[in-house]
Amino acid sequence: GIQVEQSPPDLILQEGANSTLRCNFSDSVNNLQWFHQNPWGQLINLFYIPSGTKQNGRLSATTVATERYSLLYISSSQTTDSGVYFCAVERGIKAAGNKLTFGGGTRVLVKP
Amino acid sequence: DTGVSQDPRHKITKRGQNVTFRCDPISEHNRLYWYRQTLGQGPEFLTYFQNEAQLEKSRLLSDRFSAERPKGSFSTLEIQRTEQGDSAMYLCASSFGRWGGYTFGSGTRLTVV
Repeated sequence: GIQVEQSPPDLILQEGANSTLRCNFSDSVNNLQWFHQNPWGQLINLFYIPSGTKQNGRLSATTVATERYSLLYISSSQTTDSGVYFCAVERGIKAAGNKLTFGGGTRVLVKP
Repeated sequence: DTGVSQDPRHKITKRGQNVTFRCDPISEHNRLYWYRQTLGQGPEFLTYFQNEAQLEKSRLLSDRFSAERPKGSFSTLEIQRTEQGDSAMYLCASSFGRWGGYTFGSGTRLTVV
């Protein structure tokens, strides 16, 4: 199956700092999503971004599908940004089925 | 619409008992997914429905697991003869069409003692 690797595994930030999270994947994809899992376990969809660039407030994401990676940018981080960020992908071929494969996540702690 | 609802939020059961979880997706979403997440890991795919048809099952879904989605609305996931290894967070998600974003519920945390 497809492999999804996220880096770094852990990130500690001072409030107000900027950061970049990376997601590498091993095959072509037609679906890529970024999620934030808060300390209570709720998974929130941040972006549906199989290619291109999107922005939502202090967060933005870029996916370069031809080079098989995606980046999530957090600017002016706040303590509420703490949690685990997951990248998840779905291959574009029918044989691969209809399912998202998740990476291992990046654990982010934003200190006040 | 209040999003994807899951019930119960927490379930503690003795080994060998059967448990059933419920998921109510966003009403206009035709696709429904079940995932399982253990501590420190990303969610893993279990099964997927398009409307009422169960179209895909993971090899993780042993014979003790069964899922249904009658009439293409809510879904249930049943685990028979629970084992300690079944302890995990069970997550439900829904989407509209294949290439849309997923909306996850808050999950059901199962503890088998």
